[in-house]
Amino acid sequence: QVQLVQSGAEVKKPGASVKISCKASGFTFINFYMHWVRQAPGQGLEWMGLIEPRGDSTTYAQKFQGRVTMTRDTSTSTVWLELSSLRFEDTAVYYCARDRGYCRGSSCNDFEFWGQGTQVTVSS
Amino acid sequence: DIVMTQSPLSLPVTPGEPASISCRSSQSLLHSNGYNFFDWYVQKPGQPPQLLIYLSSYRASGVPDRFSGSGSGTTFTLTISRVETEDVGVYYCTQGLQTPITFGQGTRLEIK
Repeated sequence: QVQLVQSGAEVKKPGASVKISCKASGFTFINFYMHWVRQAPGQGLEWMGLIEPRGDSTTYAQKFQGRVTMTRDTSTSTVWLELSSLRFEDTAVYYCARDRGYCRGSSCNDFEFWGQGTQVTVSS
Repeated sequence: DIVMTQSPLSLPVTPGEPASISCRSSQSLLHSNGYNFFDWYVQKPGQPPQLLIYLSSYRASGVPDRFSGSGSGTTFTLTISRVETEDVGVYYCTQGLQTPITFGQGTRLEIK
């Protein structure tokens, strides 16, 4: 069965960086786009960006441009999210999610499977 | 960016009764391939979200048939034919027509 297992909770100081991993299993990793979505405490869902199946290309939400880096390693079926210059408002649960497949020759831009979430707390 | 607007934001429902949630998008989500790039998710307490409906009206794997989605263009509806206590959670609509992928504010379904 499809599983996305994320790394554990992180506590960081403002200005620091955080790198979260998401290890995939149960499907052919190189066939699917992967996304990152975050959720601040008591708030809704916010899409951060996606990475293409072989990791050749990324698309980031403009809000995070310059601070976010998404990478993937096909040999270990793992994707990473790195967020730099952390601010208090980056405190959130961060989810990786697998796209449903290919639509119109590209990502379907939906989230069929989700990781369990990683709590990132930015605190001085 | 495409703005997604849900209503109502809070939905108290008696078990066994129907329920519906509406979502409007700021522009049409109908692609030239004939599909609406619109989905529904539910986030149950303490869990990640889960996909309920994709492409406006297709139920995701394992989703009970009491859930149905309808709509096209800019107006969409999620209908639960008979609410069960396990349906408690926050329901989100989302568009995938273009990036950034955007979500509605969420509708909290609670049991009366």
